[in-house]
Amino acid sequence: QVQLQESGPGLVKPSQTLSLTCTVSGGSISSGNNYWNWIRQPAGKGLEWIGRIYISGGTNYNPSLKSRVTISIDASKNQFSLNLSSVTAADTAVYYCAAQLELRPYFDSWGQGTQVTVSS
Amino acid sequence: SYVLTQPPSVSVAPGQTARITCGGNNIGSKSVHWYQQKPGQAPVLVIYYDIDRPSGIPERFSGSNSGNTATLTITRVEAGDEADYYCQVWDSSSDLYVFGTGTKVTVL
Repeated sequence: QVQLQESGPGLVKPSQTLSLTCTVSGGSISSGNNYWNWIRQPAGKGLEWIGRIYISGGTNYNPSLKSRVTISIDASKNQFSLNLSSVTAADTAVYYCAAQLELRPYFDSWGQGTQVTVSS
Repeated sequence: SYVLTQPPSVSVAPGQTARITCGGNNIGSKSVHWYQQKPGQAPVLVIYYDIDRPSGIPERFSGSNSGNTATLTITRVEAGDEADYYCQVWDSSSDLYVFGTGTKVTVL
């Protein structure tokens, strides 16, 4: 089972771009048929899927965020990243990276999550 | 988009059975997956493909799915089962992963 770890700034100013990285360990991000995802959770609220990327670079995004989201992959570093532009206070949340192993329709492994606050 | 509705809370005495429902239009035609999330922790998969349990998940956890309702059942509830539970499906029409609204299970 792979392990995932999120990293990035905990505080982002409104209108700026939120950037997070997920480092994968215990396996190569390039091996197998796996999807790599970002999911977020505002305090006291439910889970929201942001998007996913495949090793080929192919992506799928939540339509509600699609205009502001970019997910990329760096196989040489065993990492994938999230960029969310033009953030507002509504983007304040815990952000998780998660893996779908063998393209299964559920999330097998999760990072511990990282809190991102949007505030001036 | 596809909507999954769960009761906000379920309370159960230790040793009793908790049933958590997840309602969605014709959800029985989809595969449903369930996660347990304890405070300050990431979600953990407890049921996948409606009825299957990952290794390490107790047999006390089981699932079913039919018609417009999927159900997660926890038998012989323990204090350690107190958590939020989320159902999840893949909505093929929009290629979107959808989570339920979440249910807080309280062990009395």
